[in-house]
Amino acid sequence: GAVVSQHPSWVICKSGTSVKIECRSLDFQATTMFWYRQFPKQSLMLMATSNEGSKATYEQGVEKDKFLINHASLTLSTLTVTSAHPEDSSFYICSAFLNTEAFFGQGTRLTVV
Amino acid sequence: SQQGEEDPQALSIQEGENATMNCSYKTSINNLQWYRQNSGRGLVHLILIRSNEREKHSGRLRVTLDTSKKSSSLLITASRAADTASYFCATGPKNTGFQKLVFGTGTRLLVSP
Repeated sequence: GAVVSQHPSWVICKSGTSVKIECRSLDFQATTMFWYRQFPKQSLMLMATSNEGSKATYEQGVEKDKFLINHASLTLSTLTVTSAHPEDSSFYICSAFLNTEAFFGQGTRLTVV
Repeated sequence: SQQGEEDPQALSIQEGENATMNCSYKTSINNLQWYRQNSGRGLVHLILIRSNEREKHSGRLRVTLDTSKKSSSLLITASRAADTASYFCATGPKNTGFQKLVFGTGTRLLVSP
């Protein structure tokens, strides 16, 4: 199947700093990618839809200035958590579709200290 | 919230037994998908069932869909210790396009040797 690669797998940062997470579709092009957030032992919640060449679409309650999304090419979307706070600590996962099947990155564990 | 519900939240069985997980959702859908997630990792796609299908098989997996009840079930037969993971259903709501997945709350399955 198709491969979506997410980097880094885990990151620890200090409060107030920014962290960038990359999501790449390795063997297919993705005009749209999706970013999810998952708290421990909970489900995935869609944060935003990343659109190549245009602005991302954010779900209700997600701060666009806090979670900056850039989709500059057909194979790369980035999520930047700006001015991170401990409550931003979570598991972030991206996905992209090939035909009707969604492929997910390995996820990024963000810990803000 | 549009999020679907899954039950049970947790399931503990012995190897060789069957495991059944149920998912209920709230909106009209294009399709329903089941995913597996090992602890702290990304999601692996298991099976997709379309809204006009009632049952689908893949190896030891059997999925049913009842659109009148807005529910689905995942049956894993002859379970193995390696099946230990969290299982999520995800729906592609009709009004948002199939790519915008809404995940259920998940079932944590523990298969003991």
